[in-house]
Amino acid sequence: QVQLQESGPGLVKPSGTLSLTCGVSGDSINSINWWSWVRQPPGKGLEWIGEIYPGGTTNYNPSLKSRVTISADTSKNQLSLKLNSVTAADTAVYYCTRVAHALFDSWGPGTLVTVSS
Amino acid sequence: DIQITQSPSSLSASVGDRVTITCRASQSIGTYLNWYQQKPGKAPKVLISPTSNLQSGVPSRFSGSGSGTDFALTISSLQPEDSATYYCQQSYSTPWTFGQGTKVEI
Repeated sequence: QVQLQESGPGLVKPSGTLSLTCGVSGDSINSINWWSWVRQPPGKGLEWIGEIYPGGTTNYNPSLKSRVTISADTSKNQLSLKLNSVTAADTAVYYCTRVAHALFDSWGPGTLVTVSS
Repeated sequence: DIQITQSPSSLSASVGDRVTITCRASQSIGTYLNWYQQKPGKAPKVLISPTSNLQSGVPSRFSGSGSGTDFALTISSLQPEDSATYYCQQSYSTPWTFGQGTKVEI
């Protein structure tokens, strides 16, 4: 059974860069699945950030595309998310997920990132 | 982008009630619609994908229907453990988009 675990700073200053990693166990990020990041502002709904496929192909949400980079480290079997020029609007729980046939079938527990000075 | 309009945003019902949540897509998405359940402080969990196929372990009181632009999630006999927020998600084209969520209180 695949397990995902997000990690990274819980507090980021405005205009700074949010950086998170997601460790994957029970599956290889070189498998046939996509791997994705989804976020959820406190008390609000879910927003897809972007995804990466083995080999490095990425898709991003156009609303965030200019600020987001998703990458994968196959040697560590982990994903990374970088979001730059953050504002308070980027405060959210960030989830990494496995994506199979456009279904988010496995999720990490999520990590809360607060943007504040 | 495909917009998903989910309704109602919240509902309150009693144990044993039949409950229906709907999602409407801004364009036809065939049957490319998934449903998730999220409990407070937890990650979402897949219930149904696509449209009407229950995931393993999901109680049979949950069912999904629809095609094109209109979809529904029905809980035939509401149980206390069904208290959660439910989201639909279109899997037709990127950017993948979710409904706004329906909070079900019992």
